[in-house]
Amino acid sequence: QKEVEQDPGPLSVPEGAIVSLNCTYSNSAFQYFMWYRQYSRKGPELLMYTYSSGNKEDGRFTAQVDKSSKYISLFIRDSQPSDSATYLCAINQFYFGTGTSLTVIP
Amino acid sequence: DGGITQSPKYLFRKEGQNVTLSCEQNLNHDAMYWYRQDPGQGLRLIYYSQIVNDFQKGDIAEGYSVSREKKESFPLTVTSAQKNPTAFYLCASSIDPRVTEAFFGQGTRLTVV
Repeated sequence: QKEVEQDPGPLSVPEGAIVSLNCTYSNSAFQYFMWYRQYSRKGPELLMYTYSSGNKEDGRFTAQVDKSSKYISLFIRDSQPSDSATYLCAINQFYFGTGTSLTVIP
Repeated sequence: DGGITQSPKYLFRKEGQNVTLSCEQNLNHDAMYWYRQDPGQGLRLIYYSQIVNDFQKGDIAEGYSVSREKKESFPLTVTSAQKNPTAFYLCASSIDPRVTEAFFGQGTRLTVV
């Protein structure tokens, strides 16, 4: 079993939609959870990270961790075409999901 | 400007040759990491270093070697023992391994022909 699993998509939504991106993980001892955004042929950039359980909000982005179900989510409100990218979930700096490709259509 | 610099951006090598990828950071970060990214497989950890003169293998270290002689530099050598070296290689750094806000370089795309 992989340490973290992520649906690769692709996901295509109209501008203004709410986007939900999700990952599951295997080890209940994991404590640091991150979301990275990666544009084509570029290095990933950190969007948000959370420690342990709970929610964290930053502008249009909300990261959520549910340790009881080992489930992590990223919500994007009022999605914009500039949000079109691949989104990677990560645990600590060691385990990354495969990435979900998102396209926001104007 | 502070950041991580990977060079070169594109690299071509013949099969059987060793090749070294450069990673330099001026963020004064203790921890540095090397990843490999293949289509559909996300990032996989090759090696990481928490401090100068120390490094640890990640999940896919076979066929790779690293050194950490200076805090700023963490070069990766792809050896001829690596069976499928063509990939996108990413270097990252963080203040320390417990504080996980990492910063990535722009990557090196290695093609072995």
